[in-house]
Amino acid sequence: NAGVMQNPRHLVRRRGQEARLRCSPMKGHSHVYWYRQLPEEGLKFMVYLQKENIIDESGMPKERFSAEFPKEGPSILRIQQVVRGDSAAYFCASSPRPGGKTGELFFGEGSRLTVL
Amino acid sequence: AQKVTQAQTEISVVEKEDVTLDCVYETRDTTYYLFWYKQPPSGELVFLIRRNSFDEQNEISGRYSWNFQKSTSSFNFTITASQVVDSAVYFCALSEAERTSGSRLTFGEGTQLTVNP
Repeated sequence: NAGVMQNPRHLVRRRGQEARLRCSPMKGHSHVYWYRQLPEEGLKFMVYLQKENIIDESGMPKERFSAEFPKEGPSILRIQQVVRGDSAAYFCASSPRPGGKTGELFFGEGSRLTVL
Repeated sequence: AQKVTQAQTEISVVEKEDVTLDCVYETRDTTYYLFWYKQPPSGELVFLIRRNSFDEQNEISGRYSWNFQKSTSSFNFTITASQVVDSAVYFCALSEAERTSGSRLTFGEGTQLTVNP
């Protein structure tokens, strides 16, 4: 009965490199959300995906950031040409349904990105 | 637009004291959900409670209790007889249930609770 699995838990990148964060939702969940937590701040919504579709990316920075949730495999949050300001904890959450009626989300343990 | 305000940035108490964490929210929706999460020093998010906007009954779970008051748009969280293990950042969050785009949560900035022995 695995929960939401995120990897890597910790990632260090140099400025200009690419970061890829992976999220495997709970079994049977087809809705995935990514949130970012900057140091000393609360979590901010980034993107909501269903299998093969981006539903809401209104919280994603316009450049360098992209997300996907393919038919097979985990959801990927990709950050190209990382900068120091990208250093944060990135949390993935999943739900078994759109969640509009229940607000039910299950969070992973987060991936902590450090940009040197 | 929805907003969650946790006015207390940091609270420090001595073990066994009671402590209340405040949460005030703003939303135009009539149906919504409120949450509290705990983030211990290890960093993961621990779900504590979900409450829908139609249920104003207060809830108690062990040493934890929640006071939801729709009239003042508040959803406060009280820890009775605090323990050192309660030291963490606590987040209040809001989800608008009528959104078409799923369970998007708006989080407050968090309250850092330190319980000293």
